[in-house]
Amino acid sequence: GIQVEQSPPDLILQEGANSTLRCNFSDSVNNLQWFHQNPWGQLINLFYIPSGTKQNGRLSATTVATERYSLLYISSSQTTDSGVYFCAVEPSGGGADGLTFGKGTHLIIQP
Amino acid sequence: GAGVSQSPSNKVTEKGKDVELRCDPISGHTALYWYRQRLGQGLEFLIYFQGNSAPDKSGLPSDRFSAERTGESVSTLTIQRTQQEDSAVYLCASSLGPGNSPLHFGNGTRLTVT
Repeated sequence: GIQVEQSPPDLILQEGANSTLRCNFSDSVNNLQWFHQNPWGQLINLFYIPSGTKQNGRLSATTVATERYSLLYISSSQTTDSGVYFCAVEPSGGGADGLTFGKGTHLIIQP
Repeated sequence: GAGVSQSPSNKVTEKGKDVELRCDPISGHTALYWYRQRLGQGLEFLIYFQGNSAPDKSGLPSDRFSAERTGESVSTLTIQRTQQEDSAVYLCASSLGPGNSPLHFGNGTRLTVT
C-alpha cells in the first residue's frame, strides 16, 4: 500500500516561532488531508488539499502532487498549537481502504 | 447533530467479554470510517463504508472484529472475546464521499480491557 512519511517526528519551539511540517507519500493521490490532534485526543481537520495551496489564519498548506509531498506551515506559534499533526492520503488508484495516515509530527510550543 | 457522535466515550471491560461501539455520522455523509489508535501511536485503518456498497474489511485485525452499518446512518463496531491488546481509542469518521471531501472525526471511544 501507499507509504506516508512525516518529518520531523518531534518539534519543540518557543511561542511566536514559525514551523514547517513535511509529508512525503509514495504514490499519486487524489485526496490529502492534514489533521491536528490536540492533547485531549480530539482530531480536527485542518485542510483538504490534494493539490495547490490553502491558507486559514496562521496556518497554510501546500501540496505538490507531481513531486509527492505536502507542507504545513504554522506561523507565530501559540501554545494551543501543541499536539500531533497528521497527514493522511488516499491513492489515486482508488480502493476502499480509506485514508492512510502518517505517524505524525509531535509539536510542543513552549511559552 | 452537528458532528460525529460516538458512544460510549469510555468503556472498561474484562478480558473475554464482547463490546459494541457506536458511531453516528454527520447527517448526509455517505462515507464512514473506523480507525484504531493505540496510546502514543498513529491511526490504524480498520474498515470503510461507502453508501450501500460492500465494505472493505481488510483492515480488521482479526475475525473477532466486525462492523455493520445500516444504510447511510449509524455504524457499530463489535469486538468479541476482547483481549488486552484491544485496548485503544476507537475513532469513527465520516465524509460526504470518497476521495473528495474532508474527513470529520468523532471524539472516540477509549476501550480498556482488564
